[in-house]
Amino acid sequence: QVQLVESGGGVVQPGRSLRLSCAASGFSFSGYAMQWVRQAPGKGLEWVAHIAYDGTNKYYADSVKGRFSISRDNSKNTLYLQMDSLRAEDTAVYYCARDFYGEWHWGQGTLVTVSS
Amino acid sequence: DIQMTQSPSSLSASVGDTVTITCRASQAINDNLAWLQQKPGKAPRSLISAASKLQSGVTSRFSGSGSGTDFTLTISSLQPEDFATYYCQHYNRYPITFGQGTRLEIK
Repeated sequence: QVQLVESGGGVVQPGRSLRLSCAASGFSFSGYAMQWVRQAPGKGLEWVAHIAYDGTNKYYADSVKGRFSISRDNSKNTLYLQMDSLRAEDTAVYYCARDFYGEWHWGQGTLVTVSS
Repeated sequence: DIQMTQSPSSLSASVGDTVTITCRASQAINDNLAWLQQKPGKAPRSLISAASKLQSGVTSRFSGSGSGTDFTLTISSLQPEDFATYYCQHYNRYPITFGQGTRLEIK
């Protein structure tokens, strides 16, 4: 069955970097676009970034543009989110999701806390 | 950016009731609309895509309709496991945006 497992979250100081990973299994990873979505504590969902199945197209929310970078390694069935210059407002649970023409399958999420 | 507005923000209902949640887009999005369910402390679960297409494994008590700017999610014969927060989401173009959520509570 489809499985997405995020990792790499934790507590980090403002201005520092963190890289999240999303390990995919149970489907042909290289055939699907992927997304990152986050949810601040007690808040709603915020889309973060998109990457096409082959990595050629990438889109970012304005709130993370220039600081976050989405990438993928299809040989390792893994999606990444490199997060630089982290701010307190980036504190959230980060979810990866498989996207098939609007049909999304979600991972369980990883918590990122930005605090001094 | 396209703004998604859900109503109501919260809703109380009883087991066995039928409820409807509405979602309005600030501009036309064709049928590029999804509905999600989220329970406390859990990841979201996608229920419906393309405004009315039920995702695999989702009970037929959930149904969606609409096109353009106005959409609805209907849940019939409410069951205890349906009490959760529901979000609409457009994917017509980037940036993708979500509604603010509708919290469905047991009366």
